[in-house]
Amino acid sequence: EPEVTQTPSHQVTQMGQEVILRCVPISNHLYFYWYRQILGQKVEFLVSFYNNEISEKSEIFDDQFSVERPDGSNFTLKIRSTKLEDSAMYFCASRTQGLTEAFFGQGTRLTVV
Amino acid sequence: GENVEQHPSTLSVQEGDSAVIKCTYSDSASNYFPWYKQELGKRPQLIIDIRSNVGEKKDQRIAVTLNKTAKHFSLHITETQPEDSAVYFCAASSKGGSEKLVFGKGTKLTVNP
Repeated sequence: EPEVTQTPSHQVTQMGQEVILRCVPISNHLYFYWYRQILGQKVEFLVSFYNNEISEKSEIFDDQFSVERPDGSNFTLKIRSTKLEDSAMYFCASRTQGLTEAFFGQGTRLTVV
Repeated sequence: GENVEQHPSTLSVQEGDSAVIKCTYSDSASNYFPWYKQELGKRPQLIIDIRSNVGEKKDQRIAVTLNKTAKHFSLHITETQPEDSAVYFCAASSKGGSEKLVFGKGTKLTVNP
């Protein structure tokens, strides 16, 4: 069964450093998302990406965040200057067109120290 | 924007009993309502979903009901088993735009043997 894959599974970084989280969505999917989940809390929407551009972003997704789909398969989330409060599990998700199941990756646990 | 409220936050049942989790949503344009199960440290996985043109959907021991007028939907698990223990999230999404998922805060279900 196809699945969304994310790397790395765990990333520890110093405050102020840049991090790039990587995702490979399911190949025939058209909508791509990043969500985050702070430990013990709900899953929160960060950004959606469709047709090679951001279609919506949340208040969390400020100018420290960016997304790219550089080569038609990878989908990356970059945080330019990490803060302690960026520590969370980051999930990539993808879905086909229309209101269909969103498939989640296994997540990247980001720890900012 | 959309807001999803979920209750209860924790639920403990005896094996074999039923469990019911309830969610309400605010945006009347929402028309897709998935339920995700998340085991500790793992990705959310879809267990059942319902669209607004349907009032009820069942899949073996799991059922979801939707009341569009009242803007609420519920997850019903019958004959619970210890392996049903997890955090369950409801979500809502509307067609058009990014079709992002807005999640409830989750219900930690514990099934006691």
